[in-house]
Amino acid sequence: SAVISQKPSRDICQRGTSLTIQCQVDSQVTMMFWYRQQPGQSLTLIATANQGSEATYESGFVIDKFPISRPNLTFSTLTVSNMSPEDSSIYLCSVEASDRSSYNEQFFGPGTRLTVL
Amino acid sequence: QKEVEQNSGPLSVPEGAIASLNCTYSDRGSQSFFWYRQYSGKSPELIMSIYSNGDKEDGRFTAQLNKASQYVSLLIRDSQPSDSATYLCAVASGDSWGKLQFGAGTQVVVTP
Repeated sequence: SAVISQKPSRDICQRGTSLTIQCQVDSQVTMMFWYRQQPGQSLTLIATANQGSEATYESGFVIDKFPISRPNLTFSTLTVSNMSPEDSSIYLCSVEASDRSSYNEQFFGPGTRLTVL
Repeated sequence: QKEVEQNSGPLSVPEGAIASLNCTYSDRGSQSFFWYRQYSGKSPELIMSIYSNGDKEDGRFTAQLNKASQYVSLLIRDSQPSDSATYLCAVASGDSWGKLQFGAGTQVVVTP
């Protein structure tokens, strides 16, 4: 499976500010995904990021709040804008396996733990 | 609204016993089914994938899928304290373009 890294691993931010999270993969991948995991909760998909096209956002998530870039096949960023304490979560990127026999399998980065004060 | 349901637990299992985890899903068009293990403070780790009805075994893990009943399960044989984690069921629909819907997760505690 691909090796995925995220930066930063954790951060503490003030309300009203923005944080950009980076996701780097060691191989080219078509599909990248951004998830949020709120404390004690399961994973919720924020958006799908494909290279060369606009990100596709899930219900309840908007581009103004969570702008995403996907400049190439190994990198993506998620920005959490105008943060409030409710944005305190773990943010995870994932990639879909490129192996055709591993249909829809996703592998996750280590996550970014965000605390908003 | 597509849903994936799991018992939240905790499921307490004696060391060496079999842990049985269940997951139901609402979307009949679902085609791919996954079990992830998540240790506290860590990201989810894929442990099993299953695509067709029946059983799939990998080491101490067995996944079972019944599409007619919209049910997928995970058995952990010879449970070890290192199996103590939250297990997440995830489902992808045929029209989802790879998007996964996750259940709330079942916490498993293996007691020595």
